[in-house]
Amino acid sequence: GAVVSQHPSWVICKSGTSVKIECRSLDFQATTMFWYRQFPKQSLMLMATSNEGSKATYEQGVEKDKFLINHASLTLSTLTVTSAHPEDSSFYICSAKDLTATQPQHFGDGTRLSIL
Amino acid sequence: QKEVEQDPGPLSVPEGAIVSLNCTYSNSAFQYFMWYRQYSRKGPELLMYTYSSGNKEDGRFTAQVDKSSKYISLFIRDSQPSDSATYLCAMSARTNAGKSTFGDGTTLTVKP
Repeated sequence: GAVVSQHPSWVICKSGTSVKIECRSLDFQATTMFWYRQFPKQSLMLMATSNEGSKATYEQGVEKDKFLINHASLTLSTLTVTSAHPEDSSFYICSAKDLTATQPQHFGDGTRLSIL
Repeated sequence: QKEVEQDPGPLSVPEGAIVSLNCTYSNSAFQYFMWYRQYSRKGPELLMYTYSSGNKEDGRFTAQVDKSSKYISLFIRDSQPSDSATYLCAMSARTNAGKSTFGDGTTLTVKP
């Protein structure tokens, strides 16, 4: 089945640090990748849609300058949390769809971000 | 009102029971229906994917879609403790940039 790799799985860093999270589709080409945030015992909250070679589309209320998304190739998208603060601590999950628009999303295993 | 409604549970059943998980939705444009399983601190894992109305079976899992009632179900037969997880329904339309709309998830515990 489709495999999406997300790295790192867990990161702890000091307030003010910028953190980069990578999302790779390992066995298919992903024209579209999605970035989600999930708080404990809550559902997925879509942050942005990332399309290869173009600017990401952010959901309402998500700060573009805070959460920088780059989708430079058909297999890699990155999310950079800039100048992270404790309130940015959360579980971040990416997903990817292959070139066929009707296919479902496949998720990475998530990144637990803790800002001290 | 949310586009997708899912009872959050929690749902607790004994091992071997048949589990029924359900979602209702309001957007008639939804054509693709998914069920994901999410273990604690892991990303969601795709379990079932169906298009339009009908049934789909995969091992102990059966997904049903009733578009006329805007109602989807996931049945788990012979439930096992390893099935304990949160189950998310998701659905998408042909357009809308490939986005899926997710339910809030139902937490299931299967007791040995």
